[in-house]
Amino acid sequence: DIQMTQSPSTLSASVGDRVTITCRASQSISSWLAWYQQKPGKAPKLLIYKASSLESGVPSRFSGSGSGTEFTLTISSLQPDDFATYYCQQYNSYSLFTFGPGTKVDIK
Amino acid sequence: EVQLVESGGGLVKPGGSLRLSCAASGFTFSNAWMSWVRQAPGKGLEWVGRIKSKTDGGTTDYAAPVKGRFTISRDDSKNTLYLQMNSLKTEDTAVYYCTTAVRESSSPGIYFDYWGQGTLVTVSS
Repeated sequence: DIQMTQSPSTLSASVGDRVTITCRASQSISSWLAWYQQKPGKAPKLLIYKASSLESGVPSRFSGSGSGTEFTLTISSLQPDDFATYYCQQYNSYSLFTFGPGTKVDIK
Repeated sequence: EVQLVESGGGLVKPGGSLRLSCAASGFTFSNAWMSWVRQAPGKGLEWVGRIKSKTDGGTTDYAAPVKGRFTISRDDSKNTLYLQMNSLKTEDTAVYYCTTAVRESSSPGIYFDYWGQGTLVTVSS
C-alpha cells in the first residue's frame, strides 16, 4: 500500500506570508495527487488535482508542484480565509486511495 | 448546482448495523462514479469505498478496514447512493462523507470533487 506523509503537521503563519506544505509518497505516484482544504466542521474542498491542475473556482494564489514521490502545495500570499487544514491524496492505485495526515495552517 | 445530502447517521451499538443514504442532484448521477470518505473525530480523512457507474460495470472496491462489513450500492432511478454498514465497531465512529469521484482518462484512480456535508455515525455501547 502507498503511504502518504505531510510536513509540517502544523504551520503558524501571518496574512501575506508565502506558505509551502510538502507531501511525500512511499513510492512513485507519477502526478496522481490531489490537494484538499478543510475548515472546522466543514467538508473538504478540492483545490488541486494531477499535482498541479487548479480546480475551477480556486484562487490562483494556490499552486501545486511535484511528481514521483515529492509534492508541494504553495499559497503565494496567505489570506484570512486560508487558515485551515490541508490534505494530500494519492490516486495512483486502481482500488486504494490514501490521504496524508494533514497540515494545519494557523495564525501566528 | 451539485448537491449531495447524506442522512441516516446516529448512535448504534457495537455489532449493530446502519444504512446511510446520499441524495444527489445537479448532475447526471447515473454516469457518476461515487465514493464514501470518513473522518473520525479529530482525525484525518480515510477513503471507505467506491462504486463505478453501471455503464462502467457498477463494481465496488473497499478499504481494508471495512471490506466484508460495508456495502456500497446505488439506485440510479432515485439518484441515491447507499452505504450499508454491518458488524460495526467502535473504530467506525466518524463523520461519513458522500463524494463524487473523478477518474481522468489516463489515471489509475480517482479523486473527489464534490462532497456532502457529512453524517455522524457513533458506535458505542
